[in-house]
Amino acid sequence: KNEVEQSPQNLTAQEGEFITINCSYSVGISALHWLQQHPGGGIVSLFMLSSGKKKHGRLIATINIQEKHSSLHITASHPRDSAVYICAVSRSGGGADGLTFGKGTHLIIQP
Amino acid sequence: EAEVAQSPRYKITEKSQAVAFWCDPISGHATLYWYRQILGQGPELLVQFQDESVVDDSQLPKDRFSAERLKGVDSTLKIQPAELGDSAMYLCASASARGVRAFFGQGTRLTVV
Repeated sequence: KNEVEQSPQNLTAQEGEFITINCSYSVGISALHWLQQHPGGGIVSLFMLSSGKKKHGRLIATINIQEKHSSLHITASHPRDSAVYICAVSRSGGGADGLTFGKGTHLIIQP
Repeated sequence: EAEVAQSPRYKITEKSQAVAFWCDPISGHATLYWYRQILGQGPELLVQFQDESVVDDSQLPKDRFSAERLKGVDSTLKIQPAELGDSAMYLCASASARGVRAFFGQGTRLTVV
């Protein structure tokens, strides 16, 4: 079982819809990251969370530490939001802190 | 905003050949990561540097892969000899310190033929 699980794997929606992508993890973490990867491959860090909720423009990220679950929401989705969204965690407990990644959610927003 | 620079963007090489990728992190970032992303999967950590020292290379196939960051600034990842299964996106990321937000480069897409 992967330590970081995302759902759904693929999501196609119409422009304007409210989008939710979920992430569950099974290890102790010091932080959770939401990343956006465009077709060219480059990755952009959207959020880094250790508790609560963060908002940036139309993007909202929440985390529930007790339930080991995080969600990424996109309000008023737009075709330019089409990308792969990746959840990643920084493990707690010291040592190396390279991220452990989920497999990503491929989002397509149709006009 | 400052960026992590990687080169080349694309590389095609024949199996058994040597290939090298370069990463220039954001100025002042002490922590540097190399990740490999096979198509359809999330990235996996290959090596992590803190300044010029390797913090974690447990997932680096050391029989063919090597990484260095001699002056604690830019870094090179080398594969020799390349194998077909090495075809992937190689991503570099840097952070000002361990455990804080990392910034990613555009990646090097490697195709081994």
